[in-house]
Amino acid sequence: ETGVTQTPRHLVMGMTNKKSLKCEQHLGHNAMYWYKQSAKKPLELMFVYNFKEQTENNSVPSRFSPECPNSSHLFLHLHTLQPEDSALYLCASSQSPGREISNEQYFGPGTRLTVT
Amino acid sequence: QKEVEQNSGPLSVPEGAIASLNCTYSDRGSQSFFWYRQYSGKSPELIMSIYSNGDKEDGRFTAQLNKASQYVSLLIRDSQPSDSATYLCAVNTLTSMDSNYQLIWGAGTKLIIKP
Repeated sequence: ETGVTQTPRHLVMGMTNKKSLKCEQHLGHNAMYWYKQSAKKPLELMFVYNFKEQTENNSVPSRFSPECPNSSHLFLHLHTLQPEDSALYLCASSQSPGREISNEQYFGPGTRLTVT
Repeated sequence: QKEVEQNSGPLSVPEGAIASLNCTYSDRGSQSFFWYRQYSGKSPELIMSIYSNGDKEDGRFTAQLNKASQYVSLLIRDSQPSDSATYLCAVNTLTSMDSNYQLIWGAGTKLIIKP
């Protein structure tokens, strides 16, 4: 595997289900990110991890719960979601942990989530 | 609130012409700037990064940065139908909280290259 991978690629879940999204980066980066992308809206940053430590949580509802066991893996645990949470969820990684100027981010293919 | 603005388009350009995409940003202290390309149903792909005023060329792509006017642009020469996509502008800026840098994203410009 190369780059950033995400599983599953598509997910349909009911409002009472619990599911998890998985992201793995093979780039040797130090920082990982979860973004939400809804139609015709800018990317919304959800969570940032630098060296496994969470450094940003942009007022995300508690029904989204991130986990970062190491610098290569990132999870997003989902429970009791709402239909408005349907979106493309993107994982990204970068070499710079947020305190450097460059901060080039590389994205996985995303998980298309539909909440019914 | 720090913002990045892009015209949503669609911008329609004939094949072989130059496509010009523009982006303005609000934080005068921003240090680095990125253009991403996103095909329909796919994730964003980094195509250009620029850190200094002036032009940066990479193949058919040229990024232009003017920090005094707070805009960054992307030119695509000899446009091809395969260039049809949404182009996202991202600006690296300091958060107000704790001196971390964070990418602020524009909503993207949809580009259509007509054969």
